[in-house]
Amino acid sequence: EEQLVQSGAEVKKPGESLKISCKGSGHTFTTYWIAWVRQMPGKGLEWMGIIYPSDSDTRYSPSFQGQVTISADKSINTAYLQWNSLKASDSAMYYCATVEDPMVRASWFDPWGQGTLVTVSS
Amino acid sequence: DIQMTQSPSSLSASVGDRVTITCQASQSISRYLNWYQQKPGKAPNLLIFAASNLQSGAPSRFSGSGSGTDFTLTISSLQPEDFATYYCQQSYSIPYTFGQGTKLEIK
Repeated sequence: EEQLVQSGAEVKKPGESLKISCKGSGHTFTTYWIAWVRQMPGKGLEWMGIIYPSDSDTRYSPSFQGQVTISADKSINTAYLQWNSLKASDSAMYYCATVEDPMVRASWFDPWGQGTLVTVSS
Repeated sequence: DIQMTQSPSSLSASVGDRVTITCQASQSISRYLNWYQQKPGKAPNLLIFAASNLQSGAPSRFSGSGSGTDFTLTISSLQPEDFATYYCQQSYSIPYTFGQGTKLEIK
């Protein structure tokens, strides 16, 4: 089973850039899609977007389109979530999760990474 | 976007109780509905997929039902480790959307 390990917590200032990562440890990384999910402090789960590392096909939630960039490097089994200019409102826990095939309606997030806490404060 | 509404938002119950959480979609999503459990400080964990299928390793006291717009997660006999927040999520169409969560607390 694929396992996902995310990069460590980050503390940044408003306006700074950031790229966090999600590394797959199994042998099937390029056969799955990787989703990113935001959880703001004390709040629920929000789907941000999804990428197919094999060919970098990417889909974004309209709420996050243009706000973040999702990318992947299949040679090192790693997906990324990137900001060019952070805002305080980007402070949240960010999770990656595997989705077998979002083009199939019967799809779900499993497994999940452990999460990366991003804190943006001046 | 498909809106997912869970009820209740919070629930107090005792060990051994039977508990039901509901999730309603703003349009029909057939049976493309998943349930997750999240404990404090941890990542969510898949419990039920495609409305009624128990994920491998999930306890059999958890069950899911429903189709169309109305879905239910039932815990037949609450155990101490079940106190957590539960989320539903539709996979019928992108963008995927989650319910707002139901926090299950000890009475």
